[in-house]
Amino acid sequence: GENVEQHPSTLSVQEGDSAVIKCTYSDSASNYFPWYKQELGKGPQLIIDIRSNVGEKKDQRIAVTLNKTAKHFSLHITETQPEDSAVYFCAASNKRISSGSARQLTFGSGTQLTVLP
Amino acid sequence: DTAVSQTPKYLVTQMGNDKSIKCEQNLGHDTMYWYKQDSKKFLKIMFSYNNKELIINETVPNRFSPKSPDKAHLNLHINSLELGDSAVYFCASSQHQQRYRYYYEQYFGPGTRLTVT
Repeated sequence: GENVEQHPSTLSVQEGDSAVIKCTYSDSASNYFPWYKQELGKGPQLIIDIRSNVGEKKDQRIAVTLNKTAKHFSLHITETQPEDSAVYFCAASNKRISSGSARQLTFGSGTQLTVLP
Repeated sequence: DTAVSQTPKYLVTQMGNDKSIKCEQNLGHDTMYWYKQDSKKFLKIMFSYNNKELIINETVPNRFSPKSPDKAHLNLHINSLELGDSAVYFCASSQHQQRYRYYYEQYFGPGTRLTVT
């Protein structure tokens, strides 16, 4: 099955600096890579995703890059703000459970991002 | 509000008891999931239902039994609760096919914190 490794487990940055979180995956058949943000006491929320036919995607201060050859993908947050503080999860999906149906996500272990004011 | 909702938010019970967690989504999605998040924040899929059909059933003790009375509801019943069942349980939903397009985003509920004493 798929195995996703995420680093670092904790990350502290000064407000305004950039933050980078990296993930590697094991199954070359994986083709969908979402990033979720989980705030304290809440469920994870999708912030950006990328599919394997794209190398980079950007949405305002957030960007994700994908290197299929090396099987790794990264989340970049620029101009960090205190409200960016949360746990961030990467995930990879390689399995279409049934035709036209769900995809199974394998999550990384999470990164606790703290943005210091 | 359109969302994924779970009840209860907190559940404290003793070993050996049987308990249920309820999940409802009003997003019109066709697929629902149960995830378990342990004390180290690791998120792992437990079950998934598509149009009331069980399509993912990971290695989970058979004390856990999901039930989907309709597309909008997926409940989780746990028999003979054990200390190791203490975790946060998240329900999620997604819509994975609309005509010829596939959508992968999973929407998570707020979680149910289960504590077994």
